[in-house]
Amino acid sequence: DGGITQSPKYLFRKEGQNVTLSCEQNLNHDAMYWYRQDPGQGLRLIYYSQIVNDFQKGDIAEGYSVSREKKESFPLTVTSAQKNPTAFYLCASSIDLAGPAQYFGPGTRLLVL
Amino acid sequence: SQKIEQNSEALNIQEGKTATLTCNYTNYSPAYLQWYRQDPGRGPVFLLLIRENEKEKRKERLKVTFDTTLKQSLFHITASQPADSATYLCALEGYNFNKFYFGSGTKLNVKP
Repeated sequence: DGGITQSPKYLFRKEGQNVTLSCEQNLNHDAMYWYRQDPGQGLRLIYYSQIVNDFQKGDIAEGYSVSREKKESFPLTVTSAQKNPTAFYLCASSIDLAGPAQYFGPGTRLLVL
Repeated sequence: SQKIEQNSEALNIQEGKTATLTCNYTNYSPAYLQWYRQDPGRGPVFLLLIRENEKEKRKERLKVTFDTTLKQSLFHITASQPADSATYLCALEGYNFNKFYFGSGTKLNVKP
């Protein structure tokens, strides 16, 4: 089955720790995205990538980093510089940056200990 | 950037009725607009896309309209069912087709 997988489903971060969220897709999509969702708010774009070895900052990139070494993978690292990391993180992909539709993974809920 | 407004109050309707959700945007008119469904604790699922030159799009019990003069899209679910209960998000592509902007969504509750 084609789709997007995210792991883990739940992640706990200690103070000062960096954590990495995994995102893999087998849809052969060029574009991939990371969003953050807080209760009662819309999805906010963290980073996006058009092709391998290329990525751009979204609207709330501070405290986050990404890499795109393979077409299928787009991991997100939440660094210790992100002071309010508790949120639901969603990875998505689309055929290219113009869409037309985005396909989302199941999400990772990050909690701070 | 684009500002998208969706009614933050939940919409409660009776089973069998038509649900109508609204999405308003404030800046440029996008080339296309999308609607997604999101269930609690899960990722959004793409439902429908409508282009700027289309007034209406249908898919089974779903209908979307797009009025670029009013800067508004309406999303209708006819003959609604309790299984339609979810949060519905609208999304617009960015001016340079490099990103998407999402509304905060409207929660729909369909009561049996």
